[in-house]
Amino acid sequence: DQQVKQNSPSLSVQEGRISILNCDYTNSMFDYFLWYKKYPAEGPTFLISISSIKDKNEDGRFTVFLNKSAKHLSLHIVPSQPGDSAVYFCAASEGNNNDMRFGAGTRLTVKP
Amino acid sequence: EPEVTQTPSHQVTQMGQEVILRCVPISNHLYFYWYRQILGQKVEFLVSFYNNEISEKSEIFDDQFSVERPDGSNFTLKIRSTKLEDSAMYFCASSEVGGRLYGYTFGSGTRLTVV
Repeated sequence: DQQVKQNSPSLSVQEGRISILNCDYTNSMFDYFLWYKKYPAEGPTFLISISSIKDKNEDGRFTVFLNKSAKHLSLHIVPSQPGDSAVYFCAASEGNNNDMRFGAGTRLTVKP
Repeated sequence: EPEVTQTPSHQVTQMGQEVILRCVPISNHLYFYWYRQILGQKVEFLVSFYNNEISEKSEIFDDQFSVERPDGSNFTLKIRSTKLEDSAMYFCASSEVGGRLYGYTFGSGTRLTVV
């Protein structure tokens, strides 16, 4: 089941720069997309979401972009901070289903 | 801030034994979920539970798995006869109505090791 893909297992960014995390999906029925952040020994923490009727959602330093035609979403973090270092998962769900499909995650390292 | 509590944090069990993983969801949440993450792999959906019954389940959630909300606060996942491949981090989550847009609150997980 590879409906949600995060092709970059890791990303390293300098503090203060922009981090761009990417996610692709194959199921055109997905209509809600979420980003989660996970620290070691903790559960995933909800970060930001977007519904398919929008193409952008912003919350402070975090912005999610959705390109439905390309079945692609991205998370921008600007400026990046060392505390942002974590594994980031994108997730998607469709219709009235409450189960989310997760990507494999991207480990972000923000260097001071 | 309200949180989802999972116990134990680590469980070691022998193959073929039954295990029960426990979760206390956030008190005013209505939807409950179990996910798992095998080491180094993605987070996988197991089951969702609403109004005292399973609302959805994945192909992973076969007859050896069951969930229960035995009282008003606990939400349990039982694995009847554990296999080596059941070794994983199991996450419980809960949400209010509309968890798809507002996200779930996950617990810290139970690491299950089957030997």
